[in-house]
Amino acid sequence: GAGVSQSPSNKVTEKGKDVELRCDPISGHTALYWYRQSLGQGLEFLIYFQGNSAPDKSGLPSDRFSAERTGGSVSTLTIQRTQQEDSAVYLCASSVAKNIQYFGAGTRLSVL
Amino acid sequence: EDKVVQSPLSLVVHEGDTVTLNCSYEVTNFRSLLWYKQEKKAPTFLFMLTSSGIEKKSGRLSSILDKKELFSILNITATQTGDSAIYLCAETATGNQFYFGTGTSLTVIP
Repeated sequence: GAGVSQSPSNKVTEKGKDVELRCDPISGHTALYWYRQSLGQGLEFLIYFQGNSAPDKSGLPSDRFSAERTGGSVSTLTIQRTQQEDSAVYLCASSVAKNIQYFGAGTRLSVL
Repeated sequence: EDKVVQSPLSLVVHEGDTVTLNCSYEVTNFRSLLWYKQEKKAPTFLFMLTSSGIEKKSGRLSSILDKKELFSILNITATQTGDSAIYLCAETATGNQFYFGTGTSLTVIP
């Protein structure tokens, strides 16, 4: 596709359920980032993938959060046993190496 | 830890006004500073600055970096309602992360 694609665009779930958020980066972009943006806040770094290197998971807030990137392309962010404080917009971005990031439209997660 | 601070947090102006948005940063091993515009969800890229004193310009928007005083400004002249958005500043260092500020929310009133 022409841009970064994220799905679903909105997700409502009940506290305690697991959710999976998907990111399809721009073709050929080797770097992929996940961010979380809570209401009125800036972008909080979660995780970074670069090619076949081990991901930088330093931003993941707890062990309930995990992410995979299959075949160097599509990435899935999984949140287990969701809590209300996980409610936020989850943004994915891709870039060529560590150059300019191009963002997807995000997934708005609401945990009831 | 690297830190990016933006000011003001929010701004309301009338169409035609000129605005200046500020971004200061604390960083080790600075590599670049970026500005993004976020209207609904996806931030869109505006500028990337790596050198001090060189103005980057795109239409009514311009930006400049001061690596000695560790700040950047984003100027918007002759503002229009379509400029209403959150403007995000981000700094990159030699590691993997992009450090984002909390943004400046700009509202342009007709």
